[in-house]
Amino acid sequence: QSALTQPASVSGSPGQSITISCTGTSGDVGSYNYVSWYQQHPGKAPKLMIYDVSNRPSGVSNRFSGSKSGNTASLTISGLQAEDEADYYCSSYTGSSTYVFGTGTKVTVL
Amino acid sequence: EVQLVESGGGLVQPGGSLRLSCAGSGFTFFSYEMNWVRQPPGKGLEWVSYISNSGSTIYYADSVKGRFTISRDNAKNSLYLLMNSLRAEDTAVYYCARERRDGYSFDYWGQGILVTVSS
Repeated sequence: QSALTQPASVSGSPGQSITISCTGTSGDVGSYNYVSWYQQHPGKAPKLMIYDVSNRPSGVSNRFSGSKSGNTASLTISGLQAEDEADYYCSSYTGSSTYVFGTGTKVTVL
Repeated sequence: EVQLVESGGGLVQPGGSLRLSCAGSGFTFFSYEMNWVRQPPGKGLEWVSYISNSGSTIYYADSVKGRFTISRDNAKNSLYLLMNSLRAEDTAVYYCARERRDGYSFDYWGQGILVTVSS
C-alpha cells in the first residue's frame, strides 16, 4: 500500500487560509469516507483533527475543516495562527481494518 | 483522562527481538480496538498493526507481516507488540493508538517509544 500524496510544505501568513491536499487512489480515499487528519508538533504524538472526512472531534477549533472529492481529500485551516505551525498527516481506511497515512505536510506560519 | 503509555523500547541488534507494551487507563480498554503506528526518525507515519477489542481479529502491514505479533490482555488493560527478526528499517518511534468507538481513525495516542535497530 503506497502512502497518500501530500505537498511537502505549505505556508501562510497569520489570518490567512491554507489548504493541504491528500491524494490517494480508488482503493483508499476514493472508496471510503474515512479520511482523517492529524496534527503533530515536534517531539509530540499526533493529534486527531478531523475524522470521517469532515468531522471535528470535541475540542478542535472550527478553523479546521475537511472535505473530499474523488480520490483527493483536503484539510483547510482558516484564520491561520502561530500555534498551527506543525506537521499534518492525512490517513485513509483501506478496508479490513487497515490504514494508510499520507507523506506529511509541514505548515509554516510566516 | 485517557492515557496510553508505551514501554519496552531500546537498542537491539539486527535479527533480534523486542516486545513493546502499552498500558491504557481512563477508559474501558476492552471496549476499544487498538493499533500500533510507527514513525522513523524525521519521516512520516506508518500504520503497523490492528487488533479488535476481543483480540480475535488482527491485521498487519505487509512490511511487518510474519515478523511482528500484536496481542492484548484486557484484564491488564494492556496492548503488546512482539517484534522479531528486526531490521534497520524498523528503527522508529512506535505509538499505540486507540481507534475511535465508531472506528476508522485514531483518537488517542501514546507518547511513543523509540526502537533502534543497529549493530
